[in-house]
Amino acid sequence: GAGVSQTPSNKVTEKGKYVELRCDPISGHTALYWYRQSLGQGPEFLIYFQGTGAADDSGLPNDRFFAVRPEGSVSTLKIQRTERGDSAVYLCASSNGAYGELFFGEGSRLTVL
Amino acid sequence: DAKTTQPNSMESNEEEPVHLPCNHSTISGTDYIHWYRQLPSQGPEYVIHGLTSNVNNRMASLAIAEDRKSSTLILHRATLRDAAVYYCISQTPSGTYKYIFGTGTRLKVLA
Repeated sequence: GAGVSQTPSNKVTEKGKYVELRCDPISGHTALYWYRQSLGQGPEFLIYFQGTGAADDSGLPNDRFFAVRPEGSVSTLKIQRTERGDSAVYLCASSNGAYGELFFGEGSRLTVL
Repeated sequence: DAKTTQPNSMESNEEEPVHLPCNHSTISGTDYIHWYRQLPSQGPEYVIHGLTSNVNNRMASLAIAEDRKSSTLILHRATLRDAAVYYCISQTPSGTYKYIFGTGTRLKVLA
């Protein structure tokens, strides 16, 4: 597994439930990004990590969204009290430094019923 | 980061060259121009990037206008596997490092 791995690939949940999405970046990549993509739209930036810290979380839509990367490798995107509007594909990308080429995972498709 | 403008869609015949345009009229002198593409049901993948000079790699060429207000991604011989959404992104290499994707150009390749 040399690429970015995201789990689960599909998640169906009910409105109001809590959801966690996991991203395993490429080993050694210091930068990690979360995006979400709605049908017919380009990826929308959510948050960027450099190491363990969130260097830019300006894209998180509200305080129901939170992301962590405690050891500078795996990251988890957490969504509380999910709403139907949260339904989208959540994409994770990693890169070797801030200017490096982004390597994307295949995404986690979230459906909120 | 400068805003970029791309046509919504384009078509090309297989084995012919494709020129995908991008306007970035508000680009600053230090902004890089990146291109990514997204095949169906996959995450985006890197294609090419540049600053001022034209760039070539195994996938494509990037032609940057002298005033840097526009650029063109060139696929020299389109194949059916090149059918994808192509995103042009202008990124400022200081402060924030986020890449802002627009809606891209959907390229259809005709057999």
